[in-house]
Amino acid sequence: GENVEQHPSTLSVQEGDSAVIKCTYSDSASNYFPWYKQELGKRPQLIIDIRSNVGEKKDQRIAVTLNKTAKHFSLHITETQPEDSAVYFCAASIGYGGATNKLIFGTGTLLAVQP
Amino acid sequence: DTEVTQTPKHLVMGMTNKKSLKCEQHMGHRAMYWYKQKAKKPPELMFVYSYEKLSINESVPSRFSPECPNSSLLNLHLHALQPEDSALYLCASSHLPSGMPYNEQFFGPGTRLTVL
Repeated sequence: GENVEQHPSTLSVQEGDSAVIKCTYSDSASNYFPWYKQELGKRPQLIIDIRSNVGEKKDQRIAVTLNKTAKHFSLHITETQPEDSAVYFCAASIGYGGATNKLIFGTGTLLAVQP
Repeated sequence: DTEVTQTPKHLVMGMTNKKSLKCEQHMGHRAMYWYKQKAKKPPELMFVYSYEKLSINESVPSRFSPECPNSSLLNLHLHALQPEDSALYLCASSHLPSGMPYNEQFFGPGTRLTVL
C-alpha cells in the first residue's frame, strides 16, 4: 500500500525566514498531493494541493513542488509569521475517476516560528 | 454553509456504554469519511462512504459501526470500546463529480473521545 514519509518532524525558524518540509511517497500511481495545517485542538485545514500533472504551484507565501520521478514533494513557506506555527501534514492520494480518493498522511511536522 | 459540523465536541464513555458520533455537511458532497487521530499522530482513515454506500472499511474493529442515513449525515456508533480507542474522531467530506478523481476533503472539528 501507499506509504508517505515526512521530514523533519520538528522545525524551528525565526520570523521572516523560510521553512521547507519534504515528503516522499511510495506508490507511483498517486496523483494528488494536499498539504494540511492543523493548529492545536483544531481541525486539519487544506492550505495548498497539487495534481500529478503539475510540477509547482504557488499561493502567496506558500508553494508546493512535485518531482514525480523521485516521488518527492515539498512545501515551501516564505516570510514566516508566528501564526504559521502549527503541525503540517502532507498526504498522497490515488484517485479512481469519480470515486473517492483515499488520503494517506505523512507523520507531520511541528513548525514553530519564533518572533 | 461551507462547514462540516460534528457533535458532540467531547464524549466520555465507559467500556460498556453505547454512544454515537454525528457528522453533518450541507455542501452537497457525496463522499464522507471517518478518521481517527491520536495525539501527535496523523489522521488515520477508518471508513469512506460514497453516495451513501460504504466503499472503504480499513479493517476497523466491529465495535465501531458507521451509518450514512442520507447524503448530509454520517454517524459512527460506538459499543464496547477499549481505553486505547480514546482519540480525536474526525469527519470529512468531499465532492464526487464525474471525471475528477481527486477532490479536497473538508474536515469537521472532531469529537474528542475518552474511554474509561
